[in-house]
Amino acid sequence: SQKIEQNSEALNIQEGKTATLTCNYTNYSPAYLQWYRQDPGRGPVFLLLIRENEKEKRKERLKVTFDTTLKQSLFHITASQPADSATYLCALVPRVLNNAGNMLTFGGGTRLMVKP
Amino acid sequence: DGGITQSPKYLFRKEGQNVTLSCEQNLNHDAMYWYRQDPGQGLRLIYYSQIVNDFQKGDIAEGYSVSREKKESFPLTVTSAQKNPTAFYLCASSIDLWELFFGEGSRLTVL
Repeated sequence: SQKIEQNSEALNIQEGKTATLTCNYTNYSPAYLQWYRQDPGRGPVFLLLIRENEKEKRKERLKVTFDTTLKQSLFHITASQPADSATYLCALVPRVLNNAGNMLTFGGGTRLMVKP
Repeated sequence: DGGITQSPKYLFRKEGQNVTLSCEQNLNHDAMYWYRQDPGQGLRLIYYSQIVNDFQKGDIAEGYSVSREKKESFPLTVTSAQKNPTAFYLCASSIDLWELFFGEGSRLTVL
């Protein structure tokens, strides 16, 4: 069955370091992958999108990589700040959209804690 | 400012009652979605609508119903048939699947 896995354990890092979050998928052929940020008790906010033919995408302190051979995306936050503390969700859109059965599918998210 | 408004933010329901969660958007998006989020789990799709007067079931539609009479509105009813309705409900809209815009969510608790 199709599966998207993100580390369910919280990632704790020191301010100023680079945070790296992982999104692994199985039995998927994603057309593209998205990353969202979610603060406690609030809705997710879109951050970045990367297509299957792109290796890397950057936006300010954020960088996303997409390795379709490893079936993995890495999400990096450089020079992390306490304000970056949140849960980060990855989501996949498959190449072939049939119906609601295989639309945008979310991973469980990884909580990031940046300590001052 | 354009955006998505969900209400109420918190809702308590007695067992056996139906409740309706409101979702309104002024982004002029055609597509709207309802997701359910449980602690430590990913968002699961309940229903979605790509156009007015049309909607499709998602992965976990049982015990839920929706309507799409206006482009701006996509209310979700949690019926008494939903066995475990306590959860965080998120409404979203999009032009396409490139980017979803989410509301602030509604937390439903069954007493």
